[in-house]
Parts: sequence; C-alpha cells; structure tokens
Amino acid sequence: KNQVEQSPQSLIILEGKNCTLQCNYTVSPFSNLRWYKQDTGRGPVSLTIMTFSENTKSNGRYTATLDADTKQSSLHITASQLSDSASYICVVTDRGSTLGRLYFGRGTQLTVWP
Amino acid sequence: EADIYQTPRYLVIGTGKKITLECSQTMGHDKMYWYQQDPGMELHLIHYSYGVNSTEKGDLSSESTVSRIRTEHFPLTLESARPSHTSQYLCASSGTDYSNQPQHFGDGTRLSIL
Repeated sequence: KNQVEQSPQSLIILEGKNCTLQCNYTVSPFSNLRWYKQDTGRGPVSLTIMTFSENTKSNGRYTATLDADTKQSSLHITASQLSDSASYICVVTDRGSTLGRLYFGRGTQLTVWP
Repeated sequence: EADIYQTPRYLVIGTGKKITLECSQTMGHDKMYWYQQDPGMELHLIHYSYGVNSTEKGDLSSESTVSRIRTEHFPLTLESARPSHTSQYLCASSGTDYSNQPQHFGDGTRLSIL
C-alpha cells in the first residue's frame, strides 16, 4: 500500500534553533517528492521538489534531502524564526499515472517559541 | 504570491442549502484541482480538470460536482449541504511542469454546515 508517514506529528522549538522533520514513504514507482509549508488558515506553499536523481535541495533556510534507496526524506530548518511556525507536508508522486497520483502525509506541526 | 483565489474564505450555512465554492486563477494553468482537508489529516483529491470541459472525480468520494467552462474558473457545487460536508476545501492549479503536481494552492474555504 502506498503511504507517506511523517514524524514527529508535532514539534516545539525555540527561536534560533535548528530542527529536522522526517518523511518516510512506500510509494512506488517513485516520481518526485515535494515539501510544502502550510500556515494556519492558508493554502500550502511549495518549498522544494526533488526527483529520483536529486538528494539535496535548498531553499533559503530550508534544506531537503532525499534517499531514494531507503525511501526517506528530511526537511532541515536552520536558525528557526517565529514565522516558521506552520504545518510541513510531505507529498510523494508516483510515476506512470497520467495525473501523477499524489500521496500526502499528515504533516508535522512546528511551533517556534520566542 | 500565487494568483489563485478562493471565495468565500469562510461559510456557515444550514443543512439542505445549495453551495458554490469559487476558485479562480490568473496564471493560465490548464490543470486545476479540488482537495478536502480535515484538521490534522492529509489532503484528499475530490475533483480535477485538465482543461476546459474536462473534469474527473478524484480519490475521495464526494457528493460535490465541478465545472470547467473557462480556463481560469473551477467552481465546486454542493446541491444539498449536510453536516458531513463540514471541512476545508482547497483549490489548486498547475502549469506544464513535469509532475502534474499542483503548484499553487488557494487559501481555502472553511465550510461549516449546521
């Protein structure tokens, strides 16, 4: 069964600290993996997208890694800011279907305290 | 900021009413999507469209219907709202990228049926 599991479910850190969010998936065949940030009451915003051949991609203070062999991805946030408080969603696309079927994780709720 | 707009942002309405949730995008994207999201849960695809006059049901069974008469407009309609329809509805669109993944999300409509 194709699944995307994220951990932890929620995380609280102090402003300025680093953190790492995890995403494990069983989706096959794999096409790509995307991390979204969703602020409360807003729609998700894409942070990074990685294909099979990419193992690291950065977007400012956000760095995503992908290990396609172990089917794991992580999102590392450096020097966290209060504005990083949000839900971070991992989405995996399979290859082959015309829609590019998407599998969503339930997200990690990150809270950054001052 | 993505140019995709949803109205209304919030709607509280009684059972049995007909509801139309509006979604418009100004990017000329051919592909548009409707997702349903409950708190702490993953997004579920309920409808999608590849272009004008093209609509398909998604993974999650839904009593809603959609139409795509113009490229920029993808409204979702509930003929007779029920409390089970209470949820957040997110509209998204994507252009000609390689993944068929939604690139831009609207900020959603939070629907409450009394």
